[in-house]
Amino acid sequence: DAGVIQSPRHEVTEMGQEVTLRCKPISGHDYLFWYRQTMMRGLELLIYFNNNVPIDDSGMPEDRFSAKMPNASFSTLKIQPSEPRDSAVYFCASIPTSGSYNEQFFGPGTRLTVL
Amino acid sequence: RKEVEQDPGPFNVPEGATVAFNCTYSNSASQSFFWYRQDCRKEPKLLMSVYSSGNEDGRFTAQLNRASQYISLLIRDSKLSDSATYLCAAYNQAGTALIFGKGTTLSVSS
Repeated sequence: DAGVIQSPRHEVTEMGQEVTLRCKPISGHDYLFWYRQTMMRGLELLIYFNNNVPIDDSGMPEDRFSAKMPNASFSTLKIQPSEPRDSAVYFCASIPTSGSYNEQFFGPGTRLTVL
Repeated sequence: RKEVEQDPGPFNVPEGATVAFNCTYSNSASQSFFWYRQDCRKEPKLLMSVYSSGNEDGRFTAQLNRASQYISLLIRDSKLSDSATYLCAAYNQAGTALIFGKGTTLSVSS
């Protein structure tokens, strides 16, 4: 049974370039979350979707960040233009339904380095 | 006050020791809490859920104190393989997304 799938696993880019991170949630999961993890700030919630609709994007740091979920099996997080301070590990996670008893399943993450 | 706060550690303990981590949360309406384990360069994975006063699974015990708004994780008879970062999480005000603490690092040595 496939878990949450993320690609690429590693991305190295130069400042100013556009970066697109991809996520495929677990089939049947209605909620999808994007997190960013750094040593300084820990694991931060950026945005989440319910049934492909963005519910809360208050964690998105700047207008340079955008996220979409065109269908139930695919989401993207885009950074344009990228900056060195965007270097972090970006995780995607999903849960089957809302409710306070659900475990979030994480993908393996994308390690982004912006030079 | 941050929504979920943890002592970052590191906690350095010998094998066989008992170690406890605490985590405080600000959302008094939260109904459930989670401890995740994260190994170096890996994704977080669920270790334990805490819905009522506590939960026990082998050497691991999680307890919830609603009055003081904190949860704890107790690890007995520590093993080398317990070395990892332990993340505490609570649901946000809307009850729809998990908010994580920064994590507590544990290092168990022989």
